[in-house]
Amino acid sequence: AQSVTQLGSHVSVSEGALVLLRCNYSSSVPPYLFWYVQYPNQGLQLLLKYTSAATLVKGINGFEAEFKKSETSFHLTKPSAHMSDAAEYFCAVSDQYTGRRALTFGSGTRLQVQP
Amino acid sequence: DAGVIQSPRHEVTEMGQEVTLRCKPISGHDYLFWYRQTMMRGLELLIYFNNNVPIDDSGMPEDRFSAKMPNASFSTLKIQPSEPRDSAVYFCASTQQASSGNTIYFGEGSWLTVV
Repeated sequence: AQSVTQLGSHVSVSEGALVLLRCNYSSSVPPYLFWYVQYPNQGLQLLLKYTSAATLVKGINGFEAEFKKSETSFHLTKPSAHMSDAAEYFCAVSDQYTGRRALTFGSGTRLQVQP
Repeated sequence: DAGVIQSPRHEVTEMGQEVTLRCKPISGHDYLFWYRQTMMRGLELLIYFNNNVPIDDSGMPEDRFSAKMPNASFSTLKIQPSEPRDSAVYFCASTQQASSGNTIYFGEGSWLTVV
């Protein structure tokens, strides 16, 4: 079964600092990978996704992620954090070969941005 | 375009009562998912439908939970009888079939508290 592991349940950065949220996947074949963001008391919103095209994926709000097969990773980055980035971030995986459409989510990383 | 619409947004009910959560997927989407979010277990897939037919209900906790999709624009998740451990945020989501790389869109969630 496919799975993703998010390292660090809480990450705190200063405003203007680099944001790095880690995600590693476990899959015997290259999966599709997603990053979602959840603001307080809201649903999940797609930030970006990797679907076998370019390995460097750019998303909304200045976020990007790079698919690295050799490291089985899909880390999320943003060069300069903004206060509005404070939220919970979820990495997710889906299978492009079995026909199963559901996403399997990681445990989430809560990002705090300090002024 | 309207997104995934869930109701009620918040519900507080007493243990033993029946709870019905409702979802209207995005028009034209033929996959519908129910997820549950708790602090302890994170985001869990409960069940998903394709063209109104349940495909995978292995995540449904027990017989107290049931889900239906009588038509392409409406689904319900019912808990009877409810228990305090059912307190969680329940998300409905939808997508189009074409690819498992397609974005899955989430509703704002139904926040359930069972006292």
